[in-house]
Amino acid sequence: SQTIHQWPATLVQPVGSPLSLECTVEGTSNPNLYWYRQAAGRGLQLLFYSIGIDQISSEVPQNLSASRPQDRQFILSSKKLLLSDSGFYLCAWRETPATNEKLFFGSGTQLSVL
Amino acid sequence: KNQVEQSPQSLIILEGKNCTLQCNYTVSPFSNLRWYKQDTGRGPVSLTIMTFSENTKSNGRYTATLDADTKQSSLHITASQLSDSASYICVVIDSRGNTPLVFGKGTRLSVIA
Repeated sequence: SQTIHQWPATLVQPVGSPLSLECTVEGTSNPNLYWYRQAAGRGLQLLFYSIGIDQISSEVPQNLSASRPQDRQFILSSKKLLLSDSGFYLCAWRETPATNEKLFFGSGTQLSVL
Repeated sequence: KNQVEQSPQSLIILEGKNCTLQCNYTVSPFSNLRWYKQDTGRGPVSLTIMTFSENTKSNGRYTATLDADTKQSSLHITASQLSDSASYICVVIDSRGNTPLVFGKGTRLSVIA
């Protein structure tokens, strides 16, 4: 069965420190992968999406970056965190092509930058 | 530009009452529309998936409708419970496969005793 793992669940980091959030999926191949951020009380903002290894599209200019070193691994990174990077980060994957596309979300990472 | 608009932005209802949430979209070409429930600090959980040919789909006390002609969907919650308090997100997927998912900003529902 397909599963998605996202960690860590919570993270408290000082301003200026680096960041690495990891997302992995199991039970599928060549998924579309997504990173979203959700500020408190707000909707989901797409940060990056990837349709294949080393293929990353950025939706919002920022100090974050994403990488996909393996088919089922998607990493969100920052060299120096800002206060504004605080939020709830969600990884999602989508299986295509299919008539009944599967779309799953990770459990999220609550990032607090202090 | 593909967009999904949800209304109301927030809603407060008494326990046991019914409510309806709205979702309008401009996504084209359309593949399917999904409603998700997101508890605070958790990932969204799928409630319903509706394809072009489906008008109504139920999942327990949740009933979703879709009008593909007017590009509108609704999520009706019957006999609300305190545990229904959450954000409800509408997601529309186009049929081109690799394009980003289009999310609404969600409706924040609070059910009070």
